[in-house]
Amino acid sequence: AQKVTQAQTEISVVEKEDVTLDCVYETRDTTYYLFWYKQPPSGELVFLIRRNSFDEQNEISGRYSWNFQKSTSSFNFTITASQVVDSAVYFCALSVHNKTMDSSYKLIFGSGTRLLVRP
Amino acid sequence: DAGVTQSPTHLIKTRGQQVTLRCSPISGHKSVSWYQQVLGQGPQFIFQYYEKEERGRGNFPDRFSARQFPNYSSELNVNALLLGDSALYLCASSSRTGPHFQETQYFGPGTRLLVL
Repeated sequence: AQKVTQAQTEISVVEKEDVTLDCVYETRDTTYYLFWYKQPPSGELVFLIRRNSFDEQNEISGRYSWNFQKSTSSFNFTITASQVVDSAVYFCALSVHNKTMDSSYKLIFGSGTRLLVRP
Repeated sequence: DAGVTQSPTHLIKTRGQQVTLRCSPISGHKSVSWYQQVLGQGPQFIFQYYEKEERGRGNFPDRFSARQFPNYSSELNVNALLLGDSALYLCASSSRTGPHFQETQYFGPGTRLLVL
């Protein structure tokens, strides 16, 4: 079975604190992709990052960084020096090939972590 | 480039009615996927279309149907609405060359459907 678990339902921090959002995934596939999306109150899912299963290098983009560890099936997301504008719901997602139908795939989302950054 | 657009933004229907939601993908994208997001949960996959053909279907009843047009826009139809169909319906586009699971899906702002 394929599954994404985001155990943290809600996190509240004070501006300028660092915060890490956890993501644990399950799949038997050896090739898969992992994503993080941000969903502000407007509702639109904003793409943040994509990582394939063969690339375990950590990635940094400005205040954002991602730690991918296949050994623990985790793909955690850290925001450094958080800002009020970071307040949103963050989703981790897994993309796998649908072997029952050629050229088909879907994103499997976790339940999301709501981040509140207080001034 | 314009992003994924969806219409309408909000919709209120009563039980038993039918609804049609519309989506226009990013220019050049040929694949459209639909997701349902119930309040407090992550999006759930409903359909994927590529080149006007259904390429994938999630675990949703036959009351849900969709189609893709020659210009790659798409409609999602839901018949015999139930209270539980109240949700945010998200459309995502991808694929300039063919749907591949490594592709990034770009989402629209969604349509908020409330069934009374």
